[in-house]
Amino acid sequence: AQTVTQSQPEMSVQEAETVTLSCTYDTSESDYYLFWYKQPPSRQMILVIRQEAYKQQNATENRFSVNFQKAAKSFSLKISDSQLGDAAMYFCAYRRDTGNQFYFGTGTSLTVIP
Amino acid sequence: DTEVTQTPKHLVMGMTNKKSLKCEQHMGHRAMYWYKQKAKKPPELMFVYSYEKLSINESVPSRFSPECPNSSLLNLHLHALQPEDSALYLCASSQVWDRGRRRSGANVLTFGAGSRLTVL
Repeated sequence: AQTVTQSQPEMSVQEAETVTLSCTYDTSESDYYLFWYKQPPSRQMILVIRQEAYKQQNATENRFSVNFQKAAKSFSLKISDSQLGDAAMYFCAYRRDTGNQFYFGTGTSLTVIP
Repeated sequence: DTEVTQTPKHLVMGMTNKKSLKCEQHMGHRAMYWYKQKAKKPPELMFVYSYEKLSINESVPSRFSPECPNSSLLNLHLHALQPEDSALYLCASSQVWDRGRRRSGANVLTFGAGSRLTVL
């Protein structure tokens, strides 16, 4: 089974600053999909950003961007200009190119300090 | 409509009760999922339905019984649960993996808001 590792159980960032959350994964496949999901205390799990492994260009969504290093099997999330609403659990997830199964990391709890 | 709707939001039940959790989506997704999530932990996959057929059962105890009556609905029937089954139950849906769709960006999992279950 694929393994997704998030080595930072907790992170904090000052409002308006930038923070990077780490994610590494283990796979022998060349095609796959990577995701960052956000789960605020209100509990709805929301997709933040996704990356297709065959794309070399890093995905960006407004203040959120990723640093995808395929050879290193690393997929970090950068949040710029952090806002209070960014406080949440962040889960990194992997999906194989085939099949319907998603693999989640253990999560990083992000606190935003006013 | 891009929502996955779950009911009820909260459920309290005794160990001898029978109850059901319901999930509905109208995004045309043909894969539907049940996850169990404990506080501050990642979701744990329980079941996956693909084209209304059970495709994955992650060795879930039989006191949890899934049902997919049609392509929009997913139920989770609960019977004789244990206190350790108390958790947030998340429903999700996605496009079914399809080789013709592999690079169309259709591989996203969309979650509902969850049903908070407490077993007394």
